[in-house]
Amino acid sequence: QSALTQPASVSGSPGQSITISCTGTSSDVGSYNLVSWYQQHPGKAPKLMIYEGSKRPSGVSNRFSGSKSGNTASLTISGLQAEDEADYYCCSYAGSSTRVFGGGTKLTVL
Amino acid sequence: QVQLVQSGAEVKKPGASVKVSCKASGYTFTSYDINWVRQATGQGLEWMGWMNPNSGNTGYAQKFQGRVTMTRNTSISTAYMELSSLRSEDTAVYYCARGRGYDRSFDYWGQGTLVTVSS
Repeated sequence: QSALTQPASVSGSPGQSITISCTGTSSDVGSYNLVSWYQQHPGKAPKLMIYEGSKRPSGVSNRFSGSKSGNTASLTISGLQAEDEADYYCCSYAGSSTRVFGGGTKLTVL
Repeated sequence: QVQLVQSGAEVKKPGASVKVSCKASGYTFTSYDINWVRQATGQGLEWMGWMNPNSGNTGYAQKFQGRVTMTRNTSISTAYMELSSLRSEDTAVYYCARGRGYDRSFDYWGQGTLVTVSS
């Protein structure tokens, strides 16, 4: 199973919006609406930010949103804040109870 | 509140095995899968496999087939991940994560266990 493809890094200024893409195949992202996104600050465990492609868990800011088109899922963060600076990972269900992660994207808030 | 508390850091020699524990609290242990995810230093997340604590059923990523074993002790709400034939490339932080069956996401994570493989 190959990792999903994410850009290595993205950046934005406070208040701006950024989008992180996550490209898979018809065997994972394209076949299931089961993409989740995780935020990870240095030295910390990942935190669930989006599930089922676009749903936010309780307590996650509505500045975070997700979408999917074909084999590509996307995470958008609007109104960037300094605390959003972190690594972001997408993860897709890939059938037979397996999962596959993206390579991760480092978000820098300028 | 839901918590997953993992065992402490380990240092192992190449060829040895390591067993990491993950103690769950704050929910019914047998109602959610436990998944294991690892992260080498400066690298991304890598899914290793899952275990259903109720049935004991498991599923492993192809990369780890034959080297990983996931088990549980329901009486103490603890899951275990054992990785054998360790090599230097297995040096990483290992996380357990609670898996939600209906949306396949991981909603709670352990704090991570650093496993260092070095001669």
